[in-house]
Amino acid sequence: AQSVTQPDIHITVSEGASLELRCNYSYGATPYLFWYVQSPGQGLQLLLKYFSGDTLVQGIKGFEAEFKRSQSSFNLRKPSVHWSDAAEYFCAVGAPVRDDKIIFGKGTRLHILP
Amino acid sequence: DSGVTQTPKHLITATGQRVTLRCSPRSGDLSVYWYQQSLDQGLQFLIQYYNGEERAKGNILERFSAQQFPDLHSELNLSSLELGDSALYFCASSPGTSVSYEQYFGPGTRLTVT
Repeated sequence: AQSVTQPDIHITVSEGASLELRCNYSYGATPYLFWYVQSPGQGLQLLLKYFSGDTLVQGIKGFEAEFKRSQSSFNLRKPSVHWSDAAEYFCAVGAPVRDDKIIFGKGTRLHILP
Repeated sequence: DSGVTQTPKHLITATGQRVTLRCSPRSGDLSVYWYQQSLDQGLQFLIQYYNGEERAKGNILERFSAQQFPDLHSELNLSSLELGDSALYFCASSPGTSVSYEQYFGPGTRLTVT
């Protein structure tokens, strides 16, 4: 079965600084990979997804993620964060063979310093 | 606004009681997913329905049940409630059965069991 780990529970960065949120997955083949964002009091919104092909994926709100098979990672990056990026970020993994559900990580809460 | 609606927004009830959470998917979406989000367990997949039929099951307790009606709205029934059932319950919808489709999340129902 697939699993996903987000090693950082909280991350604090200054506004304008770069950001990298870590995500590691466990799956025997190339999984479906997702990043979702949850703003306070709201549901989750998809930022980007990776299924195959180019390992650098562009998403909404200026985010990108890179799939690294050798490291079983799918880290989320943004070159310059804005105060409105403060939220909780979830990495998720799906199994193409089973294709019935996705497993979410525990999330990383991002705090932005002015 | 994702187009997914959930009612009620908040629910406070006592242990042993039964509640029903309601979800209306985005127009045209046939799949409905239910998730439970708690501080200790994170975001857990409960169950998926597709066009009225149960499609996939996750960590759903036997005290919980769900159904999807002909008009595609879905209800999650929670019975014999325990304190540990206090959580945020999300509904999500997507056009098809594959997890490769983006899931659109509703704003959630916050359940408090006292």
